[in-house]
Amino acid sequence: DGGITQSPKYLFRKEGQNVTLSCEQNLNHDAMYWYRQDPGQGLRLIYYSQIVNDFQKGDIAEGYSVSREKKESFPLTVTSAQKNPTAFYLCASSTTGGDQPQHFGDGTRLSIL
Amino acid sequence: GENVEQHPSTLSVQEGDSAVIKCTYSDSASNYFPWYKQELGKRPQLIIDIRSNVGEKKDQRIAVTLNKTAKHFSLHITETQPEDSAVYFCAASTTGANNLFFGTGTRLTVIP
Repeated sequence: DGGITQSPKYLFRKEGQNVTLSCEQNLNHDAMYWYRQDPGQGLRLIYYSQIVNDFQKGDIAEGYSVSREKKESFPLTVTSAQKNPTAFYLCASSTTGGDQPQHFGDGTRLSIL
Repeated sequence: GENVEQHPSTLSVQEGDSAVIKCTYSDSASNYFPWYKQELGKRPQLIIDIRSNVGEKKDQRIAVTLNKTAKHFSLHITETQPEDSAVYFCAASTTGANNLFFGTGTRLTVIP
């Protein structure tokens, strides 16, 4: 969906480094989500936000942090505490609540140098 | 919370045959069931969804059926084509929930 933009497409992290993945949407959606996808695996929820200035941990939040200062933006920081960060990260948004279709970005592939 | 199980994990069919992917869910309050298609290295895309007030929904070669009593729902693809090859995810949620609960995915391969 052209309404959700993730950047960068590829990202490399050095040992002990924090990196931030960008997610921007122009769909006027209230809810935004971050998922992690490992090779051959399903989608695991990292964090989600239903409204500006509020967010909740998902199933695998340890080693990650987020902010939601603007409705359009939901950046994800992968901290040095995340010891196995290599994965495909997907951002999604929906109008509101969990019972609505989620629209995904193109993803960011993060690797360790 | 909700637990969604999906089977099979891999499925190979001949071009032109039908493919069926099945999911079960645990929370009887769940009332929204979307299906997503993800091609290799791409974003998941919503292909069809169903709410609990209907038992079946069709969109061209794709259909979804829902059995609320048994708590399972299925994706049916007829007249499969090579471009149907992808990973398919089911999901479930309920009104007021904060997020979708995804199945683990089915890798469908359509053999020309």
